[in-house]
Amino acid sequence: DIQMTQSPSSLSASVGDRVTITCRASQSIINYLNWYQQKPGKAPKLLIYPASSLQSGVPSRFSGSGSGTDFTLTISSLQPEDFATYYCQQSYSKPLTFGPGTKVDIK
Amino acid sequence: QVQLQESGPGLVKPSETLSLTCTVSGGSISSYYWNWIRQPPGKGLEWIGYIYYSGSTNYNPSLKSRVTISVDTSKNQFSLKLSSVTAADTAVYYCASGERWWDYWGQGTLVTVSS
Repeated sequence: DIQMTQSPSSLSASVGDRVTITCRASQSIINYLNWYQQKPGKAPKLLIYPASSLQSGVPSRFSGSGSGTDFTLTISSLQPEDFATYYCQQSYSKPLTFGPGTKVDIK
Repeated sequence: QVQLQESGPGLVKPSETLSLTCTVSGGSISSYYWNWIRQPPGKGLEWIGYIYYSGSTNYNPSLKSRVTISVDTSKNQFSLKLSSVTAADTAVYYCASGERWWDYWGQGTLVTVSS
């Protein structure tokens, strides 16, 4: 199985901050990396696939980059509704696996 | 707009079989891939497996011996059966659509394994 790690595991930020979350795969996954946002009590929401395409309806302040083993999710200007947990997920090979998540909360 | 809704018992006894159904509305199940994903309370996400509308399946090897996913195209539903459950199977179970990433999700249903 491909193992996914994320850093940091949590961060505190203010509205308007630029936020960067990193995801690393245990082997090359080309660009088969997706990002989700999850708020408490809700299902995950697809943000980015694969690696850099913005899902329809997702604000342009979200962007994804990377290839191979290292990937980044960037929120250019954090908004109040962005406080949530963010998960990366590899779709290169089965079983499909997730990172452990990064919780973004209010400073 | 495709919508998914999970249904099934919220409490299952240890060693028994967990059974859930996902009803798809706003679109036909006769295309695309249909998945089950779970999340233990306070923990991360785990992909359980998917079924293609034709009936072909792909399961997470960690659960493969206990999992069956089936589809009923006449009812626009697909189902999950997980046998021999233990407390470790307590989780919110989500159904979702997509082969490699998931753009539509159900709201999730909490299944607790307890006697």
